[in-house]
Amino acid sequence: EPEVTQTPSHQVTQMGQEVILRCVPISNHLYFYWYRQILGQKVEFLVSFYNNEISEKSEIFDDQFSVERPDGSNFTLKIRSTKLEDSAMYFCASSRDRGREQYFGPGTRLTVT
Amino acid sequence: AQSVTQPDIHITVSEGASLELRCNYSYGATPYLFWYVQSPGQGLQLLLKYFSGDTLVQGIKGFEAEFKRSQSSFNLRKPSVHWSDAAEYFCAVGAGGTSYGKLTFGQGTILTVHP
Repeated sequence: EPEVTQTPSHQVTQMGQEVILRCVPISNHLYFYWYRQILGQKVEFLVSFYNNEISEKSEIFDDQFSVERPDGSNFTLKIRSTKLEDSAMYFCASSRDRGREQYFGPGTRLTVT
Repeated sequence: AQSVTQPDIHITVSEGASLELRCNYSYGATPYLFWYVQSPGQGLQLLLKYFSGDTLVQGIKGFEAEFKRSQSSFNLRKPSVHWSDAAEYFCAVGAGGTSYGKLTFGQGTILTVHP
């Protein structure tokens, strides 16, 4: 059964450093998402991506964040200058069609020190 | 704006007992509704979904959920819980129409199963 994969599973970085979180969505899916879950809090929507552009983003997704689909398989989330409060689990998800069920990857735990 | 409330933060049941996890949503139109399960250290696994039609939906692992528009609820049920069902359960609402499918999650319910 196809699944969403994410790398790395855990990333430790120092405050102010740039990080790139990588995702490989399910191959025939067209809609891609990033969510995050700060420890003990809700899963929060960050951004959706379709047809090589951002289709929707939350207020969390400020200028420090960017997304890219650099090739036909990868989908990345870049945080330009990490802050302590960026420490969270980041989930990638993909969907076959608009509004349909989303399939989530196992997540990347980002720790900013 | 859409929102989801899961009133129970933590539920404990005995193995073999029935289970109901509550979910209430707020959304202006017909919602798309989902239940996901997260085991420790794992990602979110889709249990079941509701888009339209029959208001009682069946999912994986023996779970079912019932959409009640009048109560704005989408409660998850299982007739007999297994120890392996211990996990955190999330209800989510998705926007249809022109939305690109952003999901709004509830705060989750942690299920503990006693032998």
